[in-house]
Amino acid sequence: GAVVSQHPSWVICKSGTSVKIECRSLDFQATTMFWYRQFPKKSLMLMATSNEGSKATYEQGVEKDKFLINHASLTLSTLTVTSAHPEDSSFYICSAPRGGTTDTQYFGPGTRLTVL
Amino acid sequence: SQKIEQNSEALNIQEGKTATLTCNYTNYSPAYLQWYRQDPGRGPVFLLLIRENEKEKRKERLKVTFDTTLKQSLFHITASQPADSATYLCALLTGGGNKLTFGTGTQLKVEL
Repeated sequence: GAVVSQHPSWVICKSGTSVKIECRSLDFQATTMFWYRQFPKKSLMLMATSNEGSKATYEQGVEKDKFLINHASLTLSTLTVTSAHPEDSSFYICSAPRGGTTDTQYFGPGTRLTVL
Repeated sequence: SQKIEQNSEALNIQEGKTATLTCNYTNYSPAYLQWYRQDPGRGPVFLLLIRENEKEKRKERLKVTFDTTLKQSLFHITASQPADSATYLCALLTGGGNKLTFGTGTQLKVEL
């Protein structure tokens, strides 16, 4: 079946540093990927839509200069949290629809970010 | 305002019983609704999709209903097992058809 991977699975960083999270579709190509964040015991909140070959589309209230998204190829999207602060600590999850539609989205295993 | 609410934060049932989870939405007109399972510290896993013109869908021990008049979906797990314990999320396709918006989730615990 379709598999989406994320790297790293967890990261701890100091306040003020930048962290890059990778999302890869392993056995299919994805022109679109989605990035979510999830707080403990809360639902997934869509942050942005990553588009291969063009700029990402950000949801209202998400700072695009803070959460940089680059869709480098048809199988890779990266999310960089710049100048991270403790309030950025969260569980970040990416997803990719297979077949060009959002009918079925395959989610990555998530990345736990802790900013000290 | 737009909302997607799931019936309760937590649901405890006995093994072998049927678990019924509810997803209610307001101010959406989704083309379809999806259910996902999420285990702690993991990403969601797709379970079932039901379209607006479908009343019911089944997959093994899972059954989903979709009532667009009531703006509600019910998710049933029959003959529940402890391995079914997880958080279950409903999601609607929104935003012009290219985004998923998730409900609040229900944590199911199946006890022996």
